[in-house]
Amino acid sequence: GNSVTQMEGPVTLSEEAFLTINCTYTATGYPSLFWYVQYPGEGLQLLLKATKADDKGSNKGFEATYRKETTSFHLEKGSVQVSDSAVYFCALRPPNNQGGKLIFGQGTELSVKP
Amino acid sequence: DAGVIQSPRHEVTEMGQEVTLRCKPISGHDYLFWYRQTMMRGLELLIYFNNNVPIDDSGMPEDRFSAKMPNASFSTLKIQPSEPRDSAVYFCASSFVGEKQYFGPGTRLTVT
Repeated sequence: GNSVTQMEGPVTLSEEAFLTINCTYTATGYPSLFWYVQYPGEGLQLLLKATKADDKGSNKGFEATYRKETTSFHLEKGSVQVSDSAVYFCALRPPNNQGGKLIFGQGTELSVKP
Repeated sequence: DAGVIQSPRHEVTEMGQEVTLRCKPISGHDYLFWYRQTMMRGLELLIYFNNNVPIDDSGMPEDRFSAKMPNASFSTLKIQPSEPRDSAVYFCASSFVGEKQYFGPGTRLTVT
């Protein structure tokens, strides 16, 4: 079946540190991959996406590369800010899925200290 | 433009009572999703609609839960009777042709 596994949180970093949040997936075929972010008290919002192998999604200084060979989609940022504190969700959309149904990972909480 | 609107934002009710959560999707979107978020189970898809028709309700936990979408601009998620284990944050999301999902702010439900 389709599933997403993320590294467990919480992750605590100092401002300007390098961030990596690991995400691996299981799927048949070639799913689309997403990172969503949830700020405190809000709903999720799309951060970035990649739809095929070797694609790199990027937004707001965050990047993730679709790695088919390792079935991974790790999220990275070179220098985090306090405002990046949030919960980050990795998700996949199964191939040939007409409805846009997403499979989410369990979420990773990031806390950035000044 | 207004995003996805959910009401109420917070709901506290007693076990056994009926609870109705409401959602107004973004105008023009043709998919609507209901999710539940808890610490124990994370984010779970309960049901989703396409053009007001339920497509997949395999995530609905049991018969106490029901969802309707009478028109393109309104959906409800009903729990009857409610139980303490239903306490969670419920999100509604909408999308156009199954692309990027836009989430509402959520309804925090507490069942005592």
